[in-house]
Amino acid sequence: AQSVTQLGSHVSVSEGALVLLRCNYSSSVPPYLFWYVQYPNQGLQLLLKYTTGATLVKGINGFEAEFKKSETSFHLTKPSAHMSDAAEYFCAVSDLGGNEKLTFGTGTRLTIIP
Amino acid sequence: DAGVIQSPRHEVTEMGQEVTLRCKPISGHNSLFWYRQTMMRGLELLIYFNNNVPIDDSGMPEDRFSAKMPNASFSTLKIQPSEPRDSAVYFCASGPGGGNQPQHFGDGTRLSIL
Repeated sequence: AQSVTQLGSHVSVSEGALVLLRCNYSSSVPPYLFWYVQYPNQGLQLLLKYTTGATLVKGINGFEAEFKKSETSFHLTKPSAHMSDAAEYFCAVSDLGGNEKLTFGTGTRLTIIP
Repeated sequence: DAGVIQSPRHEVTEMGQEVTLRCKPISGHNSLFWYRQTMMRGLELLIYFNNNVPIDDSGMPEDRFSAKMPNASFSTLKIQPSEPRDSAVYFCASGPGGGNQPQHFGDGTRLSIL
């Protein structure tokens, strides 16, 4: 079975600083990878996804992530944090075999310090 | 376009009562997922449907939980009888099908069992 590890359940950064949220997956076959964001009292929204092709993918709100097969990682970054980025972020990996089940990480709560 | 619509947004009921959560997926989406989110266990997939057929219900906690999808535009998740440990936020998500496609989440139903 797939597993996803998000290092750091809580991350705090200053406004304007670099955001780095870490995600590692366990799979011998490159899966499809997703980052979702959850704001309070809302459902999850897709930030970005990697399926095939370019390993650096850009998403909404200035976020991007890089798929690194050798490191089995898919870390999420944003060059300059904004107060509105405060939320919980989830990394997810598709099930092997192409079915639609997603395995989610435990989430990272991002706090922005003014 | 309308997203995934869940009702009710909040439900408070007493232990032993039947609870029915409802979901209207995005039109044209073939797959529908029910998740449960708690602080202790994170985001758990309960069941998912493809073309109205249950594909994987291995996440359904026990026989008290049941889910149906009578047509492409409606699904229910029922708990009978409800217990305090069922208190959680329940999300419905839909997707167009395929492991490389993202899931689209509703805003959830916050369920409290007293």
